[in-house]
Amino acid sequence: AQSVAQPEDQVNVAEGNPLTVKCTYSVSGNPYLFWYVQYPNRGLQFLLKYITGDNLVKGSYGFEAEFNKSQTSFHLKKPSALVSDSALYFCAVRDMGFKTIFGAGTRLFVKA
Amino acid sequence: NAGVTQTPKFQVLKTGQSMTLQCAQDMNHNSMYWYRQDPGMGLRLIYYSASEGTTDKGEVPNGYNVSRLNKREFSLRLESAAPSQTSVYFCASSEAGGGVQETQYFGPGTRLLVL
Repeated sequence: AQSVAQPEDQVNVAEGNPLTVKCTYSVSGNPYLFWYVQYPNRGLQFLLKYITGDNLVKGSYGFEAEFNKSQTSFHLKKPSALVSDSALYFCAVRDMGFKTIFGAGTRLFVKA
Repeated sequence: NAGVTQTPKFQVLKTGQSMTLQCAQDMNHNSMYWYRQDPGMGLRLIYYSASEGTTDKGEVPNGYNVSRLNKREFSLRLESAAPSQTSVYFCASSEAGGGVQETQYFGPGTRLLVL
């Protein structure tokens, strides 16, 4: 069965510092991986996805994610955090059907 | 474009009452989804519709029914609400047939409280 784990409930980082939000996955077959962000009282917004190709995927708002097949990880990164990046981040894996499995979410708090 | 819209934004029900959550998208997407979001559990798929005229169960379909009214609209019905259905409900859509590459676009959510 497909699964996604986000080991940290919350990540705290100072503005201007690099940030990492961790995600590991378990799939049978090729992984199709996504990151979404949710701002307060809003729906999820797409950030980036890995389907195939380059292990480093660039997305919206300066975010990027590194796909590591040997470690089955897909960590979200940003070189310099902004206070406005504070939100709830979800890693997700798509199976060959129509089902997307979401992680439990990681709350990012960026302090000024 | 409004994207994905949901009504109502907030609803309070008593146990046993019924209600329908409405969802519409104006992006000409073929596939639509209903999720529920509970603290610490991420989003879980309730039902989905790969294309107009088809619906299928997701991970947690019990207690819910859906209708794909047309290409634009996908409603979720609670026939007899239970406190366990207190949650935030999100509708989403994706472009083609729901393939693995597809990005989903989410509505703003409906917050439901069942007393």
